[in-house]
Amino acid sequence: QSALTQPRSVSGSPGQSVTISCTGSSTDIGAYNYVSWYQQHPGKTPKLLIFDVTKRPSGVPDRFSGSKSGTTASLTISGLQAEDEADYHCCSYAGTWVFGGGTRLTVL
Amino acid sequence: QVQLVQSGAEVKKPGASVKVSCKASDYSFPSYGFSWVRQAPGQGLEWMGWINIYSANTKYTQKFQDRISMTADTSTGTVYMELRSLTSDDTAVYYCATGGSVLYDAFHIWGQGTDVVVSS
Repeated sequence: QSALTQPRSVSGSPGQSVTISCTGSSTDIGAYNYVSWYQQHPGKTPKLLIFDVTKRPSGVPDRFSGSKSGTTASLTISGLQAEDEADYHCCSYAGTWVFGGGTRLTVL
Repeated sequence: QVQLVQSGAEVKKPGASVKVSCKASDYSFPSYGFSWVRQAPGQGLEWMGWINIYSANTKYTQKFQDRISMTADTSTGTVYMELRSLTSDDTAVYYCATGGSVLYDAFHIWGQGTDVVVSS
């Protein structure tokens, strides 16, 4: 199973919105509505932000939203804040689980 | 909230095996499925496999199929991941994670990670 494709890095200014894409195939993102996103600050444990494409766990701000179109999933972060600077990992069920390579978000 | 507590860091020689444990702080937590995910230095996350603690059903990714074993001790609520025939490419932080009882449940809760270094 090939890894999902994410941009290596994205950036935005405080208050702006950024979108991180995650491209897969017809056997993972295109086949199941089980896409999740994880935030990971340097040296820390990953934290679940979005599951089942669009759902947010309790405690995750509604500034974080997820979507999917065909074989591409997206994570949008609105109202960027300094503490959003982190790595973001997408993940899709495909009979097993497959992750993307991760995207480093820099808040300018 | 339930926490997953993993065993401590390991240093292994090439060709050896490592066994990492993961224990739920509250065994009444209604989640029976546990995944193992690893992260090599400077790299992304990589899913390795899954075990249902009660049925002992497992699912491994093909990459590790021949040298990984996941087991569980239901009396203590502990799951184990053993990786054999280690090489330097297996140097990574190993995480256990859970979120439900079926394979396609997302990873809501993560352990603190276990550093495994493979070096001669």
